[in-house]
Amino acid sequence: SQELEQSPQSLIVQEGKNLTINCTSSKTLYGLYWYKQKYGEGLIFLMMLQKGGEEKSHEKITAKLDEKKQQSSLHITASQPSHAGIYLCGADPNAGGTSYGKLTFGQGTILTVHP
Amino acid sequence: GAGVSQSPSNKVTEKGKDVELRCDPISGHTALYWYRQSLGQGLEFLIYFQGNSAPDKSGLPSDRFSAERTGGSVSTLTIQRTQQEDSAVYLCASTPGQGAEKLFFGSGTQLSVL
Repeated sequence: SQELEQSPQSLIVQEGKNLTINCTSSKTLYGLYWYKQKYGEGLIFLMMLQKGGEEKSHEKITAKLDEKKQQSSLHITASQPSHAGIYLCGADPNAGGTSYGKLTFGQGTILTVHP
Repeated sequence: GAGVSQSPSNKVTEKGKDVELRCDPISGHTALYWYRQSLGQGLEFLIYFQGNSAPDKSGLPSDRFSAERTGGSVSTLTIQRTQQEDSAVYLCASTPGQGAEKLFFGSGTQLSVL
């Protein structure tokens, strides 16, 4: 079965600093999803990556999938307190993708941003 | 409704009791998912509904866990004879069709088994 390992497990940064969260897979990634979760709330979809070398950005968040499709990174530029939360990467557990919502998730990265 | 609604938001129960967790998906969403989030295991898939049928129940951890969906809408996750290891946040998600990028999650039910 596919396993996703996220690093770091937790991260504390000062407002305005840049940061990167990594997600490494034991198998080829056919669909990699990044979600954000605030305490006591559900997950909010951020971005999906499918192609090797793909990069997507939304506001100050950029996600990349490496050429080998086994590692993804999430980069936040000029962090703000609103970026605080738990970031989770998720992947289709089946080769070729399932095209539905059954995902394998990493353990999550807890981000704290101090003002 | 405007979003996925789950109830109760918190549930405390005694070991051995049965509990029912409810999920009200976004109107018109045909697919519904249950996930469990716990400290030791992270976020795990439990079961997937397409309409009222469950083509994938592979994540249910034991036969104490069951789920149903009626009218292509509301779903109930039932845990019988609860154990302490069942303590977790149970999250429900729905989607209008295929594609995990269209998953909308509820806020979850925090279950504590004493």
